[in-house]
Amino acid sequence: DQQVKQNSPSLSVQEGRISILNCDYTNSMFDYFLWYKKYPAEGPTFLISISSIKDKNEDGRFTVFLNKSAKHLSLHIVPSQPGDSAVYFCAALTGNQFYFGTGTSLTVIP
Amino acid sequence: DAGVIQSPRHEVTEMGQEVTLRCKPISGHDYLFWYRQTMMRGLELLIYFNNNVPIDDSGMPEDRFSAKMPNASFSTLKIQPSEPRDSAVYFCASRYGPTSYEQYFGPGTRLTVT
Repeated sequence: DQQVKQNSPSLSVQEGRISILNCDYTNSMFDYFLWYKKYPAEGPTFLISISSIKDKNEDGRFTVFLNKSAKHLSLHIVPSQPGDSAVYFCAALTGNQFYFGTGTSLTVIP
Repeated sequence: DAGVIQSPRHEVTEMGQEVTLRCKPISGHDYLFWYRQTMMRGLELLIYFNNNVPIDDSGMPEDRFSAKMPNASFSTLKIQPSEPRDSAVYFCASRYGPTSYEQYFGPGTRLTVT
């Protein structure tokens, strides 16, 4: 049973526009959320995180929003760049147990 | 630091054969995780170790899978006997527990069982 879901397998965005990647979760015990970025033939790399006690965290072009009442997480990338094209995984943590979504493949069109 | 090292990067084997995947975590990291990535289920946690001790192996699919961590710098994931449905990319990740939730992933091993 998937506790973390990314319902959009793919997303295409024009360069310079905003990319919004979404993630839903079911377990209210998750206390930390992370986004990972993955290029082909490489392992995922950490991008940005947010504690469950916050509702927003920003790092340069990347902002993560957390809506606990809706059990919804989103990653905003603005402006989007061609180098952002990758698969993005949402992850949630409780204790030392990480749960990952199935990923969203982002394509930024030049 | 070289990061998390996994070997081999690709493995092709026939059904019924034993497969051993290897991982060297980042020096000083006290947590080690094994994941499996498939299109249908994304990244699934198989097992994790803390200070070389297996803590949670509830994600291991069945008895055909086993993992060991004989020391702080080496871990193996073994599948015996392998089956076609085991075909996936297997990732190892490590982290330093006391200061960070961030995991560092290796490049993965792509396993194909024919």
